[in-house]
Amino acid sequence: SQTIHQWPATLVQPVGSPLSLECTVEGTSNPNLYWYRQAAGRGLQLLFYSVGIGQISSEVPQNLSASRPQDRQFILSSKKLLLSDSGFYLCAWSAEVQGHQPQHFGDGTRLSIL
Amino acid sequence: AQTVTQSQPEMSVQEAETVTLSCTYDTSESDYYLFWYKQPPSRQMILVIRQEAYKQQNATENRFSVNFQKAAKSFSLKISDSQLGDAAMYFCAYRDVGNEKLTFGTGTRLTIIP
Repeated sequence: SQTIHQWPATLVQPVGSPLSLECTVEGTSNPNLYWYRQAAGRGLQLLFYSVGIGQISSEVPQNLSASRPQDRQFILSSKKLLLSDSGFYLCAWSAEVQGHQPQHFGDGTRLSIL
Repeated sequence: AQTVTQSQPEMSVQEAETVTLSCTYDTSESDYYLFWYKQPPSRQMILVIRQEAYKQQNATENRFSVNFQKAAKSFSLKISDSQLGDAAMYFCAYRDVGNEKLTFGTGTRLTIIP
């Protein structure tokens, strides 16, 4: 069966520090991968998605970036964190590009910027 | 642009009773997909039910069913025989055919009263 792993679960970082959140998927090949951010009491905002290695689409301008160095690995990064980057970050995968397959989410990372 | 509206920030229901969560959306597309996701206190996003717009029959998954009104662009979720484990944030989501992006509503917090 397919599983998705996301780490760390909780992270506290000072303003201006770098960030690296990692997400890996097991049990499937060539998944679509997604990074979302959820602000407190809000819905999910899509940040990035990827349909293949090295292919990244950005949904919103920001100081975050994403990379997909391997088929089942998706990394969210920042060179210098801002206070506004605080939130709950969720990684997700789906099986098809144009199908009705749902997205399956990881457990999330709670990021607090001090 | 597609938008998803959940007009009920909070709902509560007595255990074993039935509750309906509302969702409306705006789109100019004729074919698309709709989903309900559940986010319990653990913060993981879990798929509850999905509906393809081309299907007239309402989707059903055990105690969960939807009332899909395409002309009215309405997609409500009915939970029958509510259980304590149903307590969570519920998000309605929309996806175009051929588009990677899931658009989420702002969520409805469901409380189950013992």
